[in-house]
Amino acid sequence: SQTIHQWPATLVQPVGSPLSLECTVEGTSNPNLYWYRQAAGRGLQLLFYSVGIGQISSEVPQNLSASRPQDRQFILSSKKLLLSDSGFYLCAWSELGGPEGGYTFGSGTRLTVV
Amino acid sequence: AQSVTQLGSHVSVSEGALVLLRCNYSSSVPPYLFWYVQYPNQGLQLLLKYTTGATLVKGINGFEAEFKKSETSFHLTKPSAHMSDAAEYFCAVSGSGGYNKLIFGAGTRLAVHP
Repeated sequence: SQTIHQWPATLVQPVGSPLSLECTVEGTSNPNLYWYRQAAGRGLQLLFYSVGIGQISSEVPQNLSASRPQDRQFILSSKKLLLSDSGFYLCAWSELGGPEGGYTFGSGTRLTVV
Repeated sequence: AQSVTQLGSHVSVSEGALVLLRCNYSSSVPPYLFWYVQYPNQGLQLLLKYTTGATLVKGINGFEAEFKKSETSFHLTKPSAHMSDAAEYFCAVSGSGGYNKLIFGAGTRLAVHP
């Protein structure tokens, strides 16, 4: 069966520090991968999606970047965190070719920038 | 382009009462529709989905939703609320065919009172 792992679960980082959040998927090949952010009291904002290794699409201009160095690995990064980067970050995957089956989400990372 | 509107950011019901969470969508192609549930500090879990076929869709935990094309709606219902149903619920839409991103509504927080 397919599983998705996301870590760390919580993170407190000072302003200006770097960030690296990792997401891996097991039990499937060539998944579509996504990073979402959920700010307090707000809905889900799609940040990045990827349809293959090295293929990253950005949905909104921001202080963050994403990379996909391996087929089932998706990394969210920042060189210098801002206070506004605080939020709940969710990784998700779907089958290649379309989301008919829906997305499967990881358990999320709570990031607090102080 | 697709969009989702969830009517009511907060809904409160008594235990045992009917749960009705409203979702209207906009889509230029036949839609795939989804409902997700999120418990505090957790990822999103798929409740149910409509792709094709029967318009009344049954999901987990006793929830169901009906796709009404004429009303562009996909409302979520449960006959009798349990305390454990308290969570945030997200409606989502995607276009059919090929790769399409999942577009989420802003979410509805359901409170269940004894």
